[in-house]
Amino acid sequence: AQSVTQLGSHVSVSEGALVLLRCNYSSSVPPYLFWYVQYPNQGLQLLLKYTSAATLVKGINGFEAEFKKSETSFHLTKPSAHMSDAAEYFCAVTKSNFGNEKLTFGTGTRLTIIP
Amino acid sequence: DTAVSQTPKYLVTQMGNDKSIKCEQNLGHDTMYWYKQDSKKFLKIMFSYNNKELIINETVPNRFSPKSPDKAHLNLHINSLELGDSAVYFCASSQEGAGQVGQYFGPGTRLLVL
Repeated sequence: AQSVTQLGSHVSVSEGALVLLRCNYSSSVPPYLFWYVQYPNQGLQLLLKYTSAATLVKGINGFEAEFKKSETSFHLTKPSAHMSDAAEYFCAVTKSNFGNEKLTFGTGTRLTIIP
Repeated sequence: DTAVSQTPKYLVTQMGNDKSIKCEQNLGHDTMYWYKQDSKKFLKIMFSYNNKELIINETVPNRFSPKSPDKAHLNLHINSLELGDSAVYFCASSQEGAGQVGQYFGPGTRLLVL
């Protein structure tokens, strides 16, 4: 079975500060990992994905994540927070790169940006 | 053009009613999904279809019945609605094939059962 754990259900950072959202995974097979963002009353938008091609993955809106097998982590970072980054962020995992497997989501982290 | 669309966006109904939510994707994807997001924002897979065939059916009450008339559509019918069915339901799609990871989500349908 696969799972992801997001540490911190709420994270607040000042505008311009570093954003760090934590995700740890558990998987019996090589995982494929994702970060999704959900703005208020909207659907989920894919930020970035890890598919084993490179451990440092760059996504949209200046976000990136690094896959660390030794730490079973896939933390999301952004060097400088912007007010528009305020949203709910979800880490997710799947066991196949064949594109037809379900996603298993973490419980989400709400990011608040302090002006 | 919207890639994955859902109708209706909001649905308010009484307990015991039957309702349907429709989903359409214009991405040419092979696989479609329904996820449920509860009041605590937790997302869980309900069903998935690949080329109109059911491939994932998680532990969901049989009051929920997905129907896929073609690979671009996946509808969700719910019988005898209960208070606990109140949630946001998301449709998603993906392309089958090696390396084709990543699902595209619709805007969600907010269901409130009174």
